[in-house]
Amino acid sequence: QKEVEQNSGPLSVPEGAIASLNCTYSDRGSQSFFWYRQYSGKSPELIMSIYSNGDKEDGRFTAQLNKASQYVSLLIRDSQPSDSATYLCAVSYNTNAGKSTFGDGTTLTVKP
Amino acid sequence: NAGVTQTPKFQVLKTGQSMTLQCAQDMNHNSMYWYRQDPGMGLRLIYYSASEGTTDKGEVPNGYNVSRLNKREFSLRLESAAPSQTSVYFCASSAGKASGSGWTQYFGPGTRLLVL
Repeated sequence: QKEVEQNSGPLSVPEGAIASLNCTYSDRGSQSFFWYRQYSGKSPELIMSIYSNGDKEDGRFTAQLNKASQYVSLLIRDSQPSDSATYLCAVSYNTNAGKSTFGDGTTLTVKP
Repeated sequence: NAGVTQTPKFQVLKTGQSMTLQCAQDMNHNSMYWYRQDPGMGLRLIYYSASEGTTDKGEVPNGYNVSRLNKREFSLRLESAAPSQTSVYFCASSAGKASGSGWTQYFGPGTRLLVL
């Protein structure tokens, strides 16, 4: 079992819809959770970080964390074609190194 | 601020050749990382450095060596390149503290390496 698993894609939604991306992790000691967006041929960039159970909202993006169930999700409201990208889930411990384990990513396509 | 810079952007090597990928950050971050990303896959950690003078193996260290030259620079060396090392290599850095966005990783633009 992979340490970080994401729902297999690709995921396609119409413009204006809600896109839901899911991620599960195996290590209960994980303490920090991240969603990165990666456009084709580019490097990953942070979309959201979440550290405690519950929801965290930033504009059209909402991250949800449930440590008991070991899952973290990302909701994108009012999806735009510019949201078309691969979304990487990452989890880490709060150690000095700050290193993260990444999932394989879910590719989202938003159709106009 | 340039953020995280990597050189070269592209490289073609023949099997058995060696090369060093360079990475530098100007954000005064403590931690630095090297990842490889193969098509359709996520990022796999090769090596990381929690601070100047320290390095540790990640998930896929075989065939690679690293040097944390100073706080800014972290290089990755392939001593004898193999076709299996064909990949995109990303360097990243983070503040390395559990506060605010300290654990966020900032990535360089990547180096695309082809080993023939």
